[in-house]
Amino acid sequence: SALTQPASVSGSPGQSITISCTGTSSDVGGYNYVSWYQQHPGKAPKLMIYDVSNRPSGVSNRFSGSKSGNTASLTISGLQAEDEADYYCSSYTSSSTQVFGGGTKLTVL
Amino acid sequence: EVQLVESGGGLVKPGGSLRLSCAASGFSFSSYSMNWVRQAPGKGLEWVSSISSSSSYIYYAGSVKGRFTISRDNAKNSLYLQMNSLRAEDTAVYYCARDWTTVGPFDYWGQGTLVTVSS
Repeated sequence: SALTQPASVSGSPGQSITISCTGTSSDVGGYNYVSWYQQHPGKAPKLMIYDVSNRPSGVSNRFSGSKSGNTASLTISGLQAEDEADYYCSSYTSSSTQVFGGGTKLTVL
Repeated sequence: EVQLVESGGGLVKPGGSLRLSCAASGFSFSSYSMNWVRQAPGKGLEWVSSISSSSSYIYYAGSVKGRFTISRDNAKNSLYLQMNSLRAEDTAVYYCARDWTTVGPFDYWGQGTLVTVSS
């Protein structure tokens, strides 16, 4: 079943926020293959973090990832207006499939 | 430049069939696993299916297993999704996505094609 994310988070410009992503030992807890995606309305998802904490080339270092046990986290520091979007975590699973989280809507106040 | 362009979406009646295509360019298509991911209107992302570079390994989400078939033609740099016995709950934007290392992540995505299942 889908990974668990909070439905929404918010923060003011310049602040930091953290989005959690909770799974099980068969996905998040069992592998370091957690990714995070940013999706603006009407657009395709964009990879922001892979393998728990790695940033693809071109992604701002304001985005960081971590994991503890069955829960992964995405932290965005120095919030900017353009960070307002939906964020999804995903993980490789013991069935050789992928599973996404339900998504978190980030509002920049 | 890596490009993934989906096509084949449209309106189909419940129980009907549709075949989606994804044309890839800008990279060595035959070297990468590929995936289909869908997003129902106003909902989150749902992984649908994956296929390895040589089609040796194929996986499906439980919600589509037995109804959908993923395939690829490396000579044509194309990925396909044959969808049969379609249901209203299959209504979604369908994205094709490149798998960076076979265990994820999905580093490139197409813009998606909308499939609407309705009578």
